[in-house]
Amino acid sequence: QKEVEQDPGPLSVPEGAIVSLNCTYSNSAFQYFMWYRQYSRKGPELLMYTYSSGNKEDGRFTAQVDKSSKYISLFIRDSQPSDSATYLCAMSFLHGSGNTGKLIFGQGTTLQVKP
Amino acid sequence: GAVVSQHPSRVICKSGTSVKIECRSLDFQATTMFWYRQFPKQSLMLMATSNEGSKATYEQGVEKDKFLINHASLTLSTLTVTSAHPEDSSFYICSARSLRGGSYNEQFFGPGTRLTVL
Repeated sequence: QKEVEQDPGPLSVPEGAIVSLNCTYSNSAFQYFMWYRQYSRKGPELLMYTYSSGNKEDGRFTAQVDKSSKYISLFIRDSQPSDSATYLCAMSFLHGSGNTGKLIFGQGTTLQVKP
Repeated sequence: GAVVSQHPSRVICKSGTSVKIECRSLDFQATTMFWYRQFPKQSLMLMATSNEGSKATYEQGVEKDKFLINHASLTLSTLTVTSAHPEDSSFYICSARSLRGGSYNEQFFGPGTRLTVL
């Protein structure tokens, strides 16, 4: 079993739709939960990060963490064609106490928003 | 925001040659740099973690003698793929973490290097 599971998609939605992206994980020790966006042949860029459980909102993006279910989500409201990319979830342990803060990534979900 | 560069962006080489990839943090000092490999339609897999001035820590299954990592300064890390073979063809991405305090230190990713071994 992989530490982080993510449906690779592809996911195709019409412009303006609400997009829901999800990841599940197995290690309850993860403390930081990140969502990255990666355009083709580019490095990932951080969209949002959340510490422990809860919700976080930034513009059209909302990240949710449910540690009891080991499940995280990213919602994109009013999706735009420019949102078309691969979205990767990533997790890490608390940095310090021997932990390097390395990231464990999900496989990534390819999203296409059609005009 | 913090900027990380990689050079070259693309390299094609013959089997058996060695290739060096540079990763630089342009506007901040990085305590730690990470090297990832990404195959088509797959996720980023961490290869190694390097701290300035010390030996890199390699992930299980990554050959340290094949993938040489040097982290000579707080702004530069290099990955050398020695005696490259076609199966080493991949997208190599580095990331750098800043010296900012706190328990969460964001990693900033470079744009990646596409290696093709013929």
